[in-house]
Amino acid sequence: SYVLTQSPSVSVAPGQTARITCGGDNIRSKSVHWYQQKPGQAPILVLYDDADRPSGIPERFSGSNSGNTATLTISRVEAGDEADYYCQVWESSSDLEIFGGGTKLTVL
Amino acid sequence: QVQLVQSGAEVKKPGASVKVSCKTSGYTFTTYHIHWVRQAPGQGLEWMGWINSANGNTKYSQKFHDRVSFSRDTSATTAYMELSGLKSEDSAIYYCARVALENWFDPWGQGALVTVSS
Repeated sequence: SYVLTQSPSVSVAPGQTARITCGGDNIRSKSVHWYQQKPGQAPILVLYDDADRPSGIPERFSGSNSGNTATLTISRVEAGDEADYYCQVWESSSDLEIFGGGTKLTVL
Repeated sequence: QVQLVQSGAEVKKPGASVKVSCKTSGYTFTTYHIHWVRQAPGQGLEWMGWINSANGNTKYSQKFHDRVSFSRDTSATTAYMELSGLKSEDSAIYYCARVALENWFDPWGQGALVTVSS
């Protein structure tokens, strides 16, 4: 079955840029969605279709998808961005939803 | 605004069943699937499957297919997830989420904590 691979953790200082990657075989052929989950809260959608932002999500959140890697980029990181981030795709051949293992973003 | 409000925490004994509800509002219930996702303590998100709110068709992850059942009540705009044969490993937060045709999950319910303990 299709597997999405995320690094367990990423650390960045406030004001810097965080890049969170999601690896998968030819992932560029799929639409990737990203979720932010803060402790004790439900996940929220921060990007859909690789790079589109739902209303209310700051422009600091952007995305790309190429080759075997999709990337969530958070510019000018703030303390409030500290959270777990998950990527997700729909695997069409099996009609299954797949989540990555999650990346914990720590703001130093 | 679109809201999904789930039932409260449950404590169950091994072998029992649990039924979690997901009350929706703010949109036409039958135009979106409802998916179920669980999260064990300190772990990631695990997709369980979906129900077509319009016709009741379901799709289950192979891991749960023999123990889980999804249902819905269109008049109450509510979806349900029932998990049987509970084991300690089923202790988790269970989320429902509205899912568009394009397969992104938005929004999510607040989650329902299920604890399985003897």
